[in-house]
Amino acid sequence: NAGVTQTPKFQVLKTGQSMTLQCAQDMNHEYMSWYRQDPGMGLRLIHYSVGAGITDQGEVPNGYNVSRSTTEDFPLRLLSAAPSQTSVYFCASSYGPTSTYEQYFGPGTRLTVT
Amino acid sequence: ILNVEQSPQSLHVQEGDSTNFTCSFPSSNFYALHWYRWETAKSPEALFVMTLNGDEKKKGRISATLNTKEGYSYLYIKGSQPEDSATYLCASGNRDDKIIFGKGTRLHILP
Repeated sequence: NAGVTQTPKFQVLKTGQSMTLQCAQDMNHEYMSWYRQDPGMGLRLIHYSVGAGITDQGEVPNGYNVSRSTTEDFPLRLLSAAPSQTSVYFCASSYGPTSTYEQYFGPGTRLTVT
Repeated sequence: ILNVEQSPQSLHVQEGDSTNFTCSFPSSNFYALHWYRWETAKSPEALFVMTLNGDEKKKGRISATLNTKEGYSYLYIKGSQPEDSATYLCASGNRDDKIIFGKGTRLHILP
């Protein structure tokens, strides 16, 4: 099993550009989440999904879109990149609700917006 | 307490010494407490998930305890080794299926 995979590993964008961060898992997990990690902050939840076709907003959803058309994939779209979105992004999946089940994290995508 | 607080923020420990650090979390609406280990340039990996007051879990030299009534958990590392150098994240899950992460305790093991 590859676990949780994320692409790309690094990305530089210019302000106003859009892009999609890819996330896939092969563990048949229903629950998937996107987090951002900023210096001096804990992991903050952007969006999450409890199954194919179902998504919801987390703590910091503005400027991001998600969709979940399959169990395996959970892409994160930046609509119009801003310097404030410079961060490390982690995708995670779990067998059950994230409040009670351990999450498996991808390797992260380091995004810089200039 | 509304957030998950971890202390200390950073810790230097001599190889071979034992150490512990704290996670404080909101005790109301609490459901589960998570500990993750996060090595530099890697991604967080789950250590423990605990739900019951008085729970104690152990994995090798690392153990954790949980007090849900007062809202704290301790993580203990016995006989620290260089490979224990990492950031240890604590997260609290509540009954609304929300999870909140602390900022972590960064542990440095000195040879």
